[in-house]
Amino acid sequence: NAGVTQTPKFRVLKTGQSMTLLCAQDMNHEYMYWYRQDPGMGLRLIHYSVGEGTTAKGEVPDGYNVSRLKKQNFLLGLESAAPSQTSVYFCASNGARNEQFFGPGTRLTVL
Amino acid sequence: AQKITQTQPGMFVQEKEAVTLDCTYDTSDPSYGLFWYKQPSSGEMIFLIYQGSYDQQNATEGRYSLNFQKARKSANLVISASQLGDSAMYFCAMRDWYTGNQFYFGTGTSLTVIP
Repeated sequence: NAGVTQTPKFRVLKTGQSMTLLCAQDMNHEYMYWYRQDPGMGLRLIHYSVGEGTTAKGEVPDGYNVSRLKKQNFLLGLESAAPSQTSVYFCASNGARNEQFFGPGTRLTVL
Repeated sequence: AQKITQTQPGMFVQEKEAVTLDCTYDTSDPSYGLFWYKQPSSGEMIFLIYQGSYDQQNATEGRYSLNFQKARKSANLVISASQLGDSAMYFCAMRDWYTGNQFYFGTGTSLTVIP
C-alpha cells in the first residue's frame, strides 16, 4: 500500500518550458488536491478534484492546469514555467475521516 | 482575508511539558472541519487531529488534543508531555464545504522542544 506518490521528486526547468507532475493514490479516494508551499506562506491550494473527470480551481490556479482522467491519478501541468512557480508542490487525497494524506512533495526550480 | 491565522511563528517548550499552539479561523459557513498537521524537517505532511464544526466534544488523538472554542473561532492544538521528536512545523487548516471542499492552511508555527 503505497499511499500517495508523486513523480518526479525534483525538477529544474528553464523559463518557458512545460512539464507535468504526476500524483497517484491507491486508497480509492474520491478527492484529490494539488498545493504549493512557499516559505512563510503555508500551503496554498492550486486545483482540486472531487472525482474522476472533475476538476476545480483553488486559491492560486493561474499558470496551472490539471486533469483527472483516472480516479487514482491527478496530473498538474505547467504550460510555460515562470520563476514565480519555483516552489514545493504537494499532492493530497482525502480519507474517510476527512484527514488528508499527502505525497512526499516535488521540489521545482524554474530558472 | 486570511481564513486561518497562526500568530506564533516560533515556540519553545521544555521536554515533558505541555504546549499550546494557537489557531483562529474565519468562515461564515456553519459546516466546516478543522485540522492540524505536522511537518518535520524531512518535509512530509503528517495528519494529527480533526475537529468537525458540529462535534460536541473536543477531539483527542493520543498526546494531541484540540481546544475548540466555536464562539471565538479558535482551534488551538495542545501537545502534552512534549518529546524531542515533536520539534517541527505545525499547520492549522480548515476545510470549507461552502466554498466547495477547499482547504485553507495557516502559515505555520515552528515548535522546538528543548531537552
